[in-house]
Amino acid sequence: EPEVTQTPSHQVTQMGQEVILRCVPISNHLYFYWYRQILGQKVEFLVSFYNNEISEKSEIFDDQFSVERPDGSNFTLKIRSTKLEDSAMYFCASSAGLASGELFFGEGSRLTVL
Amino acid sequence: AQRVTQPEKLLSVFKGAPVELKCNYSYSGSPELFWYVQYSRQRLQLLLRHISRESIKGFTADLNKGETSFHLKKPFAQEEDSAMYYCALLLNQAGTALIFGKGTTLSVSS
Repeated sequence: EPEVTQTPSHQVTQMGQEVILRCVPISNHLYFYWYRQILGQKVEFLVSFYNNEISEKSEIFDDQFSVERPDGSNFTLKIRSTKLEDSAMYFCASSAGLASGELFFGEGSRLTVL
Repeated sequence: AQRVTQPEKLLSVFKGAPVELKCNYSYSGSPELFWYVQYSRQRLQLLLRHISRESIKGFTADLNKGETSFHLKKPFAQEEDSAMYYCALLLNQAGTALIFGKGTTLSVSS
């Protein structure tokens, strides 16, 4: 069964460093998402992406964040200059349709900023 | 403002007992609601959606627009139901975003 895969599973970085989190969505899906979950808190929407552009983004997704689909398979989240409060689990998801509401999630990338 | 509220952080029940996980929402549009589940060491996955009006693993959820609720119910809990449950609302007016409640941990013991 196809799955969303994410790398790395865990990354430790110093404050101020750039981080790129990678995701390979399910191959025939058209909509891609990033969510984050700070320890002990809820899963928060960051951004959705469709047709090579951002479809929707939350207040959390400020200028420090960017997303890209550099080729036909990868979907990346870049954090330009990490802050301590960026420490969280980042989930990538993809879906086949706009209105289905069925998102397929990856296992997450844990980011620790020191 | 659009919001999903799950008032209980933890719900502990005995095997065979009924379960109700509460979810309330706030949304000006026509709501589309979902329940997602995350079992231990597994990824977040869809459990059920209100438009399907289906029962999955014995769970059902009815959308009550008057009470703005979408509670998840199961008449007889099983130990394998122990997991984190998230209620989610699809924001389908301005773009594509699924927002989640804080989640409720269901613990079923024998």
